[in-house]
Amino acid sequence: AQSVAQPEDQVNVAEGNPLTVKCTYSVSGNPYLFWYVQYPNRGLQFLLKYITGDNLVKGSYGFEAEFNKSQTSFHLKKPSALVSDSALYFCAVRVRYNTDKLIFGTGTRLQVFP
Amino acid sequence: GAVVSQHPSWVICKSGTSVKIECRSLDFQATTMFWYRQFPKQSLMLMATSNEGSKATYEQGVEKDKFLINHASLTLSTLTVTSAHPEDSSFYICSARESALNSPLHFGNGTRLTVT
Repeated sequence: AQSVAQPEDQVNVAEGNPLTVKCTYSVSGNPYLFWYVQYPNRGLQFLLKYITGDNLVKGSYGFEAEFNKSQTSFHLKKPSALVSDSALYFCAVRVRYNTDKLIFGTGTRLQVFP
Repeated sequence: GAVVSQHPSWVICKSGTSVKIECRSLDFQATTMFWYRQFPKQSLMLMATSNEGSKATYEQGVEKDKFLINHASLTLSTLTVTSAHPEDSSFYICSARESALNSPLHFGNGTRLTVT
């Protein structure tokens, strides 16, 4: 079965420092991977996706993610964190290539300190 | 960009009553919408797939008679929580996708349901 794991419940980083939010996946076949961000009492906002092509995917708000097939990882990164990046981040995998059903990780709370 | 509107954003109801939540795709048509439920400090759990013009497909463990889904048009899906109980209190989120190839899912802002 498809699944994603986010090993960290919370990540703390100082403003201006690089940040990484980890995600590993388990899929049969080619993975379709996504990152979403959620602000308090709001729905999810799409950040970026990997379908095929370049392993480094660039997304919204300066975020990027690197697809690593050998390590089955899709870590979210940003070179310089902002306090406003503080939110809940979800990694997700599409169940099958021909469906929109997503399986979400448990989420990682990012806290950026000034 | 594509917008999914969800209404109401919050609702408080008494135990035993029913609550309807609407999910609209504002500038695109969605033949399929998804309903998720999120418990505090937990991930999103897919409840059902809403299909325009046909019955919804429910995930295992989700009571279809409890959570009624109607997708009568290409821009509107509704979730009705029937005979609500306090344990139904949760954050409900819908999502939909544009028809363009590989376009991402767009999510509504969610509805916080509190059953007293």
